[in-house]
Amino acid sequence: QQQVKQSPQSLIVQKGGISIINCAYENTAFDYFPWYQQFPGKGPALLIAIRPDVSEKKEGRFTISFNKSAKQFSLHIMDSQPGDSATYFCAASLDSNYQLIWGAGTKLIIKP
Amino acid sequence: GAGVSQSPSNKVTEKGKDVELRCDPISGHTALYWYRQSLGQGLEFLIYFQGNSAPDKSGLPSDRFSAERTGGSVSTLTIQRTQQEDSAVYLCASSFRGPIDPAFNQPQHFGDGTRLSIL
Repeated sequence: QQQVKQSPQSLIVQKGGISIINCAYENTAFDYFPWYQQFPGKGPALLIAIRPDVSEKKEGRFTISFNKSAKQFSLHIMDSQPGDSATYFCAASLDSNYQLIWGAGTKLIIKP
Repeated sequence: GAGVSQSPSNKVTEKGKDVELRCDPISGHTALYWYRQSLGQGLEFLIYFQGNSAPDKSGLPSDRFSAERTGGSVSTLTIQRTQQEDSAVYLCASSFRGPIDPAFNQPQHFGDGTRLSIL
């Protein structure tokens, strides 16, 4: 009930392409879904987050799509750039609860 | 400070020694979290502080691990009698959490971690 399943484990995309990372959750009570970006040797940094009252949120080239009925959410990176190469983590939580439930991460490589 | 600061950034020690890892959260952040990240893996929750209290220590792997937070600010994670399996990056995060209304909760901000290597 508390798991967040993330796929794929790794992803290679050509520069300018669209990168798509998917996550699925089980607990229908989750109400906060952030994506974090982590570069080697650095801590994760919040990239974008969504709450279940909207189906999509866009910030620049990054978009979260949220499907409440399917209990899935995904990160889309448009016009992917080599600088986007990093590990991406999805997470979920109850806003009233401190604990984020983390996906296993996706290592994204953008080929120039 | 502007962000979460962790020290040391790297620590190499011999098996059996004790180590202390320090976290300076963002000023004003009431909540503090410790995570462990093994090479190429996701984040493993260790402990959560709200103020100086730790309502959830359930993620601590064994009784060799302990943590404290003083003055609602700096936190120290201590690992006693280190083992090789303790080798990992230890990450600290902080956030503001409203004491009553979750609407005031803010995202977690991470430090760059301490890379711990046990020889």
